[in-house]
Amino acid sequence: EPEVTQTPSHQVTQMGQEVILRCVPISNHLYFYWYRQILGQKVEFLVSFYNNEISEKSEIFDDQFSVERPDGSNFTLKIRSTKLEDSAMYFCASSVWDRVFEGYGNQPQHFGDGTRLSIL
Amino acid sequence: DAKTTQPPSMDCAEGRAANLPCNHSTISGNEYVYWYRQIHSQGPQYIIHGLKNNETNEMASLIITEDRKSSTLILPHATLRDTAVYYCIVRVWGGSQGNLIFGKGTKLSVKP
Repeated sequence: EPEVTQTPSHQVTQMGQEVILRCVPISNHLYFYWYRQILGQKVEFLVSFYNNEISEKSEIFDDQFSVERPDGSNFTLKIRSTKLEDSAMYFCASSVWDRVFEGYGNQPQHFGDGTRLSIL
Repeated sequence: DAKTTQPPSMDCAEGRAANLPCNHSTISGNEYVYWYRQIHSQGPQYIIHGLKNNETNEMASLIITEDRKSSTLILPHATLRDTAVYYCIVRVWGGSQGNLIFGKGTKLSVKP
C-alpha cells in the first residue's frame, strides 16, 4: 500500500539554525499538509498546500515557516531560525483530488510517521 | 477547538470488541465524521469515515446515530496491536477548511 514517507526520522539542530523537513506524499495525491505535535500534546495543523500555493495556515505558521514543492515528488517544510519551542514531531499528510466534489471533498488524509525535531 | 468529546481512556480485553464512543452534538449537515488512531507517537493512521450511514471496512465499523450527534467506532476483535490513542474528528467536506482538528482522543488499552 502506498504511503507518505518523511526524512529524516530525527533531526537535531542548534537554536537559530535553519532546518528543512522533507516529505514524499503518495504519488497521485494533490493536497499536502503539515502538522506538528509537541510532546504530550495534541496534533496541531500548520499548513495546507494545493496547486503550488498555500491553501490555509494556522496561527502557528508564522514568517519563520515556509513550504515548497521543489519538484514533482517532494514537499518540504522549512523553519528559518529555529527556537527551542519548535521542538516537536512534525507530520506530513496528503490526500487525493475528489472528482465528485472537485476538491479535497471527503477524502481522508494519510500521514507519514513524522520527523522528530529537537532544538538544542 | 475540537468539536468532539471522547472519554480519555478505555480498556478492552484481547479478542473482544472495542466500542469507542464519540459525541459530536453540534455537527453540521455538511460535516463528516473521521476516525484516526495514533500508535505510540507514530503518525496518525486513518481508520474510517462516514456522513450518516453506517460504514465498515477491513479495520473497523462506524455506527452513526440517526440524529448524527454521536457515533461509535467498533473494532470487532481487538488485539494488543490496537492499543493506541483514537481520535474522532468532524470535518466539513469540500469547504475552505481542509485541515483536521485533533482533540485529546481516547487512549485504548487492549489487555491480554
